[in-house]
Amino acid sequence: DAKTTQPNSMESNEEEPVHLPCNHSTISGTDYIHWYRQLPSQGPEYVIHGLTSNVNNRMASLAIAEDRKSSTLILHRATLRDAAVYYCILKGTSYGKLTFGQGTILTVHP
Amino acid sequence: DTEVTQTPKHLVMGMTNKKSLKCEQHMGHRAMYWYKQKAKKPPELMFVYSYEKLSINESVPSRFSPECPNSSLLNLHLHALQPEDSALYLCASSQSPYRGQFFGPGTRLTVL
Repeated sequence: DAKTTQPNSMESNEEEPVHLPCNHSTISGTDYIHWYRQLPSQGPEYVIHGLTSNVNNRMASLAIAEDRKSSTLILHRATLRDAAVYYCILKGTSYGKLTFGQGTILTVHP
Repeated sequence: DTEVTQTPKHLVMGMTNKKSLKCEQHMGHRAMYWYKQKAKKPPELMFVYSYEKLSINESVPSRFSPECPNSSLLNLHLHALQPEDSALYLCASSQSPYRGQFFGPGTRLTVL
C-alpha cells in the first residue's frame, strides 16, 4: 500500500478551525483516502473518506488536491473532544486492508 | 445498534493458558477484522473475515487462532502466548471490505 506522511503533532484552540495535512505522493488512481481518529483509551473511529472530490460530513471536511498527492482534513470548530490521534490512510484494492501510519496527535487547548 | 462490543475489557493470562477474546456486532456487517495495537503505536491488521470466511491472514503466528461462528460474532482464540503479545486487541466490522470500518473499544491483554 502507498505511504502517507503526516506531522507528528499539531495544536489548536477550542472553537477554531483545524487543518490536518497529509502527503501521499505515491497514491495510485484507485486508492481512496481515508481518515480515522483514535481518542485516548478508545478504538479508532472512522471520520471520512474520498477519492477525488472534496467531501463533507457531520464530523469534518476532506479537501483533496487536484493531483491527489495531498489532502487536508478540516475540523471546522475544534472542541476538547476532538483531541485524538488522526490517521490518514490510503485504502487500495487490497481486500479490507487498512494500513495505519503514525498519525498526527492533535492537542486542543481550552 | 451501531456499535461493536468486545469482551472482556481486560485479560491477564499466563503463557500456558488458553483464553478467547469475543467480538460482536449487530449492524449486519459482513466483514470483520482483528487488529493488534502496542502502546503508542498504530493498529496493525491481523485477520480479515468476509462472509464468515477468512480472507486475509497477515502472517500471524499460529498461537492466535481466529474463528467466525456466524455473521455477528468473531472470536480470537489464544494459546501459549508470549509476554510480547501483550497489547490492545481491536475488533472492527464493515458493510464490505471496501467500506469504512467500525471499531470496538478493544481488549487489553497482558501476558505474564
